[in-house]
Amino acid sequence: QSVLTQPPSVSGAPGQRVTISCTGSASNIGAGYDVHWYQQLPGTAPKLLIYGNSNRPSGVPDRFSGSRSGTSASLAITGLQAEDEADYYCQSYDGSLSGSGVVFGGGTKLTVL
Amino acid sequence: EVQLVESGGGLVQPGGSLRLSCAASGFTFSGYWMSWVRQAPGKGLEWVANIKQDGSEKYYVDSVKGRFIISRDNANNSLYLQMNSLRAEDTAVYYCAREGRYCSGGSCFDAFDIWGQGTMVTVSS
Repeated sequence: QSVLTQPPSVSGAPGQRVTISCTGSASNIGAGYDVHWYQQLPGTAPKLLIYGNSNRPSGVPDRFSGSRSGTSASLAITGLQAEDEADYYCQSYDGSLSGSGVVFGGGTKLTVL
Repeated sequence: EVQLVESGGGLVQPGGSLRLSCAASGFTFSGYWMSWVRQAPGKGLEWVANIKQDGSEKYYVDSVKGRFIISRDNANNSLYLQMNSLRAEDTAVYYCAREGRYCSGGSCFDAFDIWGQGTMVTVSS
């Protein structure tokens, strides 16, 4: 059971827009901790997609965008492409945990129909 | 090229030990916090441990405290994870990851920006 809750799967047709939610609580996202998003293509290591809730690292297409509000965050992908088919993970911090408090969502599998 | 390369994974019996290594290149290794993140077969990502630039601070997820030890050798640009008293539930791909700092709009954020290819650890009799 992950501290951050994501839908197990989402799907969309090429060209469409999809969103992936990441729901937390008052001890993590709701406490103001920032959210990062990672894309994991099949058989590869995760790749940083969005940092600091809504910022894209260099090289990430502007089709990808992120937002945070209250105890949740969202990743939006517009103009869906076949190459976007991957697993997506949100990551934040939880102040109620010992140690560094790094937490990941359970991941969402995006299928491009 | 900025790169992280893990090694040391393999098959080990329950209760056994294994030492993972991560070789860094293409960046100033001593300038970054470093982490180990694992992924059980067919499951999501789980942060395991991290270590400060000079090794003076180390943090662990509760499930590995007292069994795993993270360390680093800045002279040799290497990160390590000593895993003892291994359990079946430790079976996973283990990734080393750099915690990079990004700044935008006056705020700075630390995120896992560089990942290795991962090394598989299987705990089974």
